[in-house]
Amino acid sequence: EVQLVESGGGLVQPGGSLRLSCVASGFNFRTNSMHWVRQAPGKGLEWVSYIGSSSSPIYYAASVKGRFTISRDNAKNSLYLLMNSLRAEDTAVYYCARIGRLEHNWGQGTLVTVSS
Amino acid sequence: DIQMTQSPSTLSASVGDRVTITCRASQSIGSWLAWYQQKPGKAPKFLIYKASSLESGVPSRFSGSGSGTEFTLTISSLQPDDFATYYCQQYDTYSLTFGGGTKVEI
Repeated sequence: EVQLVESGGGLVQPGGSLRLSCVASGFNFRTNSMHWVRQAPGKGLEWVSYIGSSSSPIYYAASVKGRFTISRDNAKNSLYLLMNSLRAEDTAVYYCARIGRLEHNWGQGTLVTVSS
Repeated sequence: DIQMTQSPSTLSASVGDRVTITCRASQSIGSWLAWYQQKPGKAPKFLIYKASSLESGVPSRFSGSGSGTEFTLTISSLQPDDFATYYCQQYDTYSLTFGGGTKVEI
């Protein structure tokens, strides 16, 4: 069974930093590209970032480019999102997701709240 | 970026109704379209991939169609468990984009 388990969310002040993690199991993580997707409270789904299977290529949404960094450790079956210079509008549930041509898997999400 | 326009944004229906949701892409995405169902406080649930292929375990009352820029999700006979918000998603490009969502309510 495919599982994606996010962690690392929490309350952070504006301008602060947070690092999210996602541990994958049930599939060959090292051969799959991965995404982060977020959902602000009461809003729709927004793509955040993409990383290829060997950490290349990497893409970001314009709203987070220059502030967020996606990375992965294939030896640990783990995906990461380092978020710097956080703003109130970054408040959201963050999901890691495997979006393949035929299979899509999402984690349960981790809540990030940016507030003073 | 590819824009996804979903309609309607809200849909009022009753148990047993046939329901259709439309999703339009700003440029051709072939058949690289997925549909998701989401309930409050839960992660999106994967329903359909490649525009018309049903994910394993999803009831057959759900179906998808379309290609290029026009797509539809149909629920043939709405059940109580189907009241939720539905999203389309294109995955033709690395930068995924989603429709704005359709809330199916009583």
